[in-house]
Amino acid sequence: NAGVTQTPKFQVLKTGQSMTLQCAQDMNHEYMSWYRQDPGMGLRLIHYSVGAGITDQGEVPNGYNVSRSTTEDFPLRLLSAAPSQTSVYFCASSYLGLTSNEQFFGPGTRLTVL
Amino acid sequence: AQTVTQSQPEMSVQEAETVTLSCTYDTSESDYYLFWYKQPPSRQMILVIRQEAYKQQNATENRFSVNFQKAAKSFSLKISDSQLGDAAMYFCAYSRDSNYQLIWGAGTKLIIKP
Repeated sequence: NAGVTQTPKFQVLKTGQSMTLQCAQDMNHEYMSWYRQDPGMGLRLIHYSVGAGITDQGEVPNGYNVSRSTTEDFPLRLLSAAPSQTSVYFCASSYLGLTSNEQFFGPGTRLTVL
Repeated sequence: AQTVTQSQPEMSVQEAETVTLSCTYDTSESDYYLFWYKQPPSRQMILVIRQEAYKQQNATENRFSVNFQKAAKSFSLKISDSQLGDAAMYFCAYSRDSNYQLIWGAGTKLIIKP
């Protein structure tokens, strides 16, 4: 059981470049989400999904796209990277219907936009 | 809108002693969940303890316990017999009962002095 995996672990982009952060989970979780973590702040929700084909925006969705074609995968796309998107990105997943709402996190991707 | 506040950016404690990390939150909901997550230097987000708002009994997990004061909207974490491995960032987080989105505090850096 690999849990939640994210690739790459580190990435450096130039302003205007695009890229996709990958997230996969092997726990058959319906709910998946992307957060960003900036210094001195808590994590902030970017996008989330409650199942294949269903996505919705979180607190800070601008500049990011997501899709959910399978239960396992939830990629995050940066369309035109900006320095303000320099951050650490976390993917998380959980079962729907559990009263505990416990979310399992991937190891994170540190992204630097120059 | 719900908010989570951690007023202590940094705390330090002598090894084997007890330390309490503070967290307050604001919500108009009656049913919700509260969490403490630990983030060591590895960056991995690890669930430490969780509390359901409808439960009056404070949650306990080995050396970790919470003091949940629903009326005061306070959710502090007590770590007993502190160990060097407890050194990390600690985040308090809130989730509504019908919503899996986590609202995070800014975190408290815990330093353990040997």
